[in-house]
Amino acid sequence: DAGITQSPRHKVTETGTPVTLRCHQTENHRYMYWYRQDPGHGLRLIHYSYGVKDTDKGEVSDGYSVSRSKTEDFLLTLESATSSQTSVYFCAISESDVSRVRTEAFFGQGTRLTVV
Amino acid sequence: AQTVTQSQPEMSVQEAETVTLSCTYDTSESNYYLFWYKQPPSRQMILVIRQEAYKQQNATENRFSVNFQKAAKSFSLKISDSQLGDTAMYFCALHGWGAQKLVFGQGTRLTINP
Repeated sequence: DAGITQSPRHKVTETGTPVTLRCHQTENHRYMYWYRQDPGHGLRLIHYSYGVKDTDKGEVSDGYSVSRSKTEDFLLTLESATSSQTSVYFCAISESDVSRVRTEAFFGQGTRLTVV
Repeated sequence: AQTVTQSQPEMSVQEAETVTLSCTYDTSESNYYLFWYKQPPSRQMILVIRQEAYKQQNATENRFSVNFQKAAKSFSLKISDSQLGDTAMYFCALHGWGAQKLVFGQGTRLTINP
């Protein structure tokens, strides 16, 4: 199994508070992603990173920020949590070889976040 | 922009039957990768099969095969001799050659009945 860990696995927080989710990998993969999974919407990309300090927005980035200060860690911050951000959050990693062939993505176990 | 569409929210078949899950996509890139992932109730995401767009031959993995129609931008998954353990959410995904991001469809919930 790929070495990718999300923390925490479960969290309940109050509306208006900041929340940070952590994704840690031991695979030295270049690409890291944050998704949220909601019924009927599949996995929607929040933010992604293609290297240390290189990040970009996905399709549902409003209300979220990310940071990647080292290869192994990718942090997702909800600046002021709202009930609409109640979801299951997944981190994923992937790599490409010298021929730019993409590997499969490996996923963390997910974080269930509830905003009350 | 990259988009992936799965038009079948739910499907249900009997054990041992063959089932096909549909996926269409859109991308401006000439080369890209397509994936099918399976998510059982455990929530773990598992790669089922992978297709490189520049390869004409359809990918196969045991009971799983794809029908890749590049001109139509269609990428369906066929599961032969379905088993109870195939019950899961199935996601189609697209990763462009030049694009940095991996985009998923809405998912299809597949139930295999005994």
